[in-house]
Amino acid sequence: QVQLQESGPGLVKPSQTLSLTCTVSGGSINSGGYYWSWIRQQPGKGLEWIGYIYFSGSTYYNPSLQSLVSISVDTSKTQFSLRLNSVTAADTAVYYCARFNMVHQHLDVWGQGTTVTVSS
Amino acid sequence: QSVLIQPPSASGTPGQRITISCSGSTSNIGSNTVNWYQQLPGRAPQLLIYSTDQRPSGVPDRFSGSKSGTSASLAISGLQSEDEADYYCSAWDDGLNVYVVFGGGTKLTVL
Repeated sequence: QVQLQESGPGLVKPSQTLSLTCTVSGGSINSGGYYWSWIRQQPGKGLEWIGYIYFSGSTYYNPSLQSLVSISVDTSKTQFSLRLNSVTAADTAVYYCARFNMVHQHLDVWGQGTTVTVSS
Repeated sequence: QSVLIQPPSASGTPGQRITISCSGSTSNIGSNTVNWYQQLPGRAPQLLIYSTDQRPSGVPDRFSGSKSGTSASLAISGLQSEDEADYYCSAWDDGLNVYVVFGGGTKLTVL
């Protein structure tokens, strides 16, 4: 059974870069049919899709974040990563990684989430 | 402002049937399937309904989904206290920009 686990700093200073990694276990990140995704949830707010990556490296990003976001994949480590540049307090959120099923277009496996606070 | 529109709250008593609506447009709900996610307090979201009306293994048949035009609905029958959670609809949007969109979420309270 595939499991996802987020990791990274819980505190980031304003204007710096937020970097998170999602480790995939129990399955292959190389298996076709899935996009590897990042979603965030600001305090008291709903879900916001950030973007996702295919194992080949193809990426899709939320248009509202596209200029600041980068998602990469390391298939040898079965990990994929998120970088969000020039963060502000508005980027304070719980960040989730998840697997997107391309056939049925849904997020079928989620990590537990990691809280990132942007503060000096 | 979320792309998909949901009522912020809903409530019901144990045993009751409730529905949660999700309104979109032709580029998302109108042309793609709808998914629903349940987020229990303090937990990560989990898939509840996919492909508009399909339940993943383990989801009780008390939960059902439907769609008509550019709107979708989640119905919960035989409401139970453990159903108290936030519910999010989601769909693929293939309009001007191609991406995943969510509703703002509906907080369900079981009275």
